[in-house]
Amino acid sequence: GAGVSQSPSNKVTEKGKDVELRCDPISGHTALYWYRQSLGQGLEFLIYFQGNSAPDKSGLPSDRFSAERTGGSVSTLTIQRTQQEDSAVYLCASSLAPDSSYNEQFFGPGTRLTVL
Amino acid sequence: AQSVTQLGSHVSVSEGALVLLRCNYSSSVPPYLFWYVQYPNQGLQLLLKYTSAATLVKGINGFEAEFKKSETSFHLTKPSAHMSDAAEYFCAVRGSSNTGKLIFGQGTTLQVKP
Repeated sequence: GAGVSQSPSNKVTEKGKDVELRCDPISGHTALYWYRQSLGQGLEFLIYFQGNSAPDKSGLPSDRFSAERTGGSVSTLTIQRTQQEDSAVYLCASSLAPDSSYNEQFFGPGTRLTVL
Repeated sequence: AQSVTQLGSHVSVSEGALVLLRCNYSSSVPPYLFWYVQYPNQGLQLLLKYTSAATLVKGINGFEAEFKKSETSFHLTKPSAHMSDAAEYFCAVRGSSNTGKLIFGQGTTLQVKP
């Protein structure tokens, strides 16, 4: 079956511009996660969705970052007024049961963001 | 709070040699532990997970890991390295909240020499 997909695969933008990154989770997965992978910080959690609500936004680094999820499916991560330190690979993952021992997160291929 | 430390950012082995990637965790509750592999320009793929059912966990591609509570370790091993095992490996622990978010180690790049 189809896995987690993300678009675009690569995004180059100029400092100060806004960007939107999209994630399509596996059908039926109610939990969705965004992570960021950067050279200096490794893999960091950003935000967690259960259905359309985001009970854990603790990893968002600043108020320039926001995310939404609609229809319990597609999620969009938006970065406003991008800065060079936002350059990273943004990974999306989804899972069936976040609070059980069977929580396996399936990851998408990521979006590589470069801010010039 | 949960945390994970991977010892060694780069490990190099010869093809056919033992692979040992080290992971130590810190957790205030019984941990759920994971090893993920990331091939170049790809997302993360689950190798194996520990969920308290058995201390020796077998995963895909011949990898296994042993949970040792006394040492707070969850090291990843493979008896014989293949060239195709060259990748970056991440150890992760599930966070203490019920969200299921993962807390990752810094990663270990495995190089396999012919």
